[in-house]
Amino acid sequence: QKEVEQNSGPLSVPEGAIASLNCTYSDRVSQSFFWYRQYSGKSPELIMSIYSNGDKEDGRFTAQLNKASQYVSLLIRDSQPSDSATYLCAVNTGFQKLVFGTGTRLLVSP
Amino acid sequence: GAVVSQHPSWVICKSGTSVKIECRSLDFQATTMFWYRQFPKQSLMLMATSNEGSKATYEQGVEKDKFLINHASLTLSTLTVTSAHPEDSSFYICSARIAWSPEAFFGQGTRLTVV
Repeated sequence: QKEVEQNSGPLSVPEGAIASLNCTYSDRVSQSFFWYRQYSGKSPELIMSIYSNGDKEDGRFTAQLNKASQYVSLLIRDSQPSDSATYLCAVNTGFQKLVFGTGTRLLVSP
Repeated sequence: GAVVSQHPSWVICKSGTSVKIECRSLDFQATTMFWYRQFPKQSLMLMATSNEGSKATYEQGVEKDKFLINHASLTLSTLTVTSAHPEDSSFYICSARIAWSPEAFFGQGTRLTVV
């Protein structure tokens, strides 16, 4: 089992819709969870971090964490074509380093 | 967020030569820096973790004699790809952490092409 798993997609949503991205992780002691956005040919950009169970909102983005079920999700409200990118889930498993999922490609159509 | 600058953004080199990539934290002191490699349509693969003033910790399967990492100061880490070959062609990305924060910030990445 991979440490961090994501559906590779693509996830296609129309402009204005809610995009829901999911991620599961295997290490129960993980404490820090992150969502990065990566445009093609560019490096990842941190968009959300979450450390405790529940929801965390930042603008159009909401991160949700459920440690009991070992999943973390990202909701993007009012999706825009500029949101089209690959979204990487990352988990801090301790020992400093982040483990990344393979990413979910999101396509927002006008 | 914190700013991490990586240079060069792209480089083409001949097979057998060495290439140095620099990663600088511009507005914070980075006690830990990470080096990743990303092949097309794949996720980031951690190559090594470097702490200022100490030897880098390499991930399994990464040749430490081929990928030399130096983290001489709290704001600069370098990755040198020695005797590069075409299979080393990839997107190399550094990231850095502030000591008190679990968040990691990425440089712009370096696209290496070995011909």
